[in-house]
Amino acid sequence: DTGVSQDPRHKITKRGQNVTFRCDPISEHNRLYWYRQTLGQGPEFLTYFQNEAQLEKSRLLSDRFSAERPKGSFSTLEIQRTEQGDSAMYLCASSLVSTADTEAFFGQGTRLTVV
Amino acid sequence: DAKTTQPPSMDCAEGRAANLPCNHSTISGNEYVYWYRQIHSQGPQYIIHGLKNNETNEMASLIITEDRKSSTLILPHATLRDTAVYYCIVRLRKNTDKLIFGTGTRLQVFP
Repeated sequence: DTGVSQDPRHKITKRGQNVTFRCDPISEHNRLYWYRQTLGQGPEFLTYFQNEAQLEKSRLLSDRFSAERPKGSFSTLEIQRTEQGDSAMYLCASSLVSTADTEAFFGQGTRLTVV
Repeated sequence: DAKTTQPPSMDCAEGRAANLPCNHSTISGNEYVYWYRQIHSQGPQYIIHGLKNNETNEMASLIITEDRKSSTLILPHATLRDTAVYYCIVRLRKNTDKLIFGTGTRLQVFP
């Protein structure tokens, strides 16, 4: 396992369409985060999971956004009825929270363009 | 979480030390200072973190002032591959809290 993997790397969609992104964390990591990054800004926290439980959601995560981590392994982030303002880089990160914590490792992100 | 202040951009000659400052004047006693960097079109990468003492690893050194109100990330011999945006972050719990990123410092290393 070489790191956090995100798929697809790039997605272009028409306004109003639904999109789904996938994140595969480092295999033993129990915590998984989603962030969003727009041009010129730092990443903004969206949500995170501890195993399969979604423990925190940012106010940025509108009702058009939903994230899942059904078996505590990979996660999906779905955006329904996309808007142009959803155009951004969506980043996934994972970490191990236990007696020997690790820092967060990030994937390379999925760049979404809504046209 | 406390907020941080960083210069928006800095330049550094290749081979020289890059010293990136960060102010975190409202940091509380149990908050850690973390540094991440983001090379263009990649996800952020962890560099180093500290609580009170200075820290060094294979990537960088972190100098935290005695009052903990500011810190400096030092890249001892900058290379062109160190060109990136560097983020200074304070977080309450070591490794377990979400990261709150600011806009960072864009470091340009030139030949």
